[in-house]
Amino acid sequence: KQEVTQIPAALSVPEGENLVLNCSFTDSAIYNLQWFRQDPGKGLTSLLLIQSSQREQTSGRLNASLDKSSGRSTLYIAASQPGDSATYLCAVRVNTGNQFYFGTGTSLTVIP
Amino acid sequence: EAQVTQNPRYLITVTGKKLTVTCSQNMNHEYMSWYRQDPGLGLRQIYYSMNVEVTDKGDVPEGYKVSRKEKRNFPLILESPSPNQTSLYFCASSLSGYPYSPLHFGNGTRLTVT
Repeated sequence: KQEVTQIPAALSVPEGENLVLNCSFTDSAIYNLQWFRQDPGKGLTSLLLIQSSQREQTSGRLNASLDKSSGRSTLYIAASQPGDSATYLCAVRVNTGNQFYFGTGTSLTVIP
Repeated sequence: EAQVTQNPRYLITVTGKKLTVTCSQNMNHEYMSWYRQDPGLGLRQIYYSMNVEVTDKGDVPEGYKVSRKEKRNFPLILESPSPNQTSLYFCASSLSGYPYSPLHFGNGTRLTVT
């Protein structure tokens, strides 16, 4: 069974700093990997999706990379802002296409 | 606006009283699924559906039922809720058979069973 791990569980940084969030998974047979943002009491908002054949995806200040062979993905946030404060989750879609496995998230606080 | 709509947002009930949480999407997605989110455990998949009349168990299906009679709706049924089903529930949808399609989430239903 696929297991997804996110380290660290919590991260606090000063505004303007660049930061990296980590996601690792145990089985490389994935369709894609998706990064989400979750604000308190809210649903999950999709940030980036990387197909299994891709190495990275970019959207604005966000860049996500995927190394399937090592079972790792990173989410890079450039020039962090207080509005980036949220919990960030990664999820993998397994090769059958039917199931998704989520990490427990990294809670990010950006201090003004 | 493309969205996944869950109702209700908050629900407090007592042990054993049957309840239904509704989920509807307006994106013509074939794939729909239910998750529960618990502290320290993350999101875990309860049930999913690849299309109308096609449903299958996720990792934590015990105590839940689902049905998919229409493409847009995927209700979650708790026939006899118990306190260990107190959780935050999310419905999600995506295109099926298209691995590049992102998963879209509803805003969640916070269920408390006393």
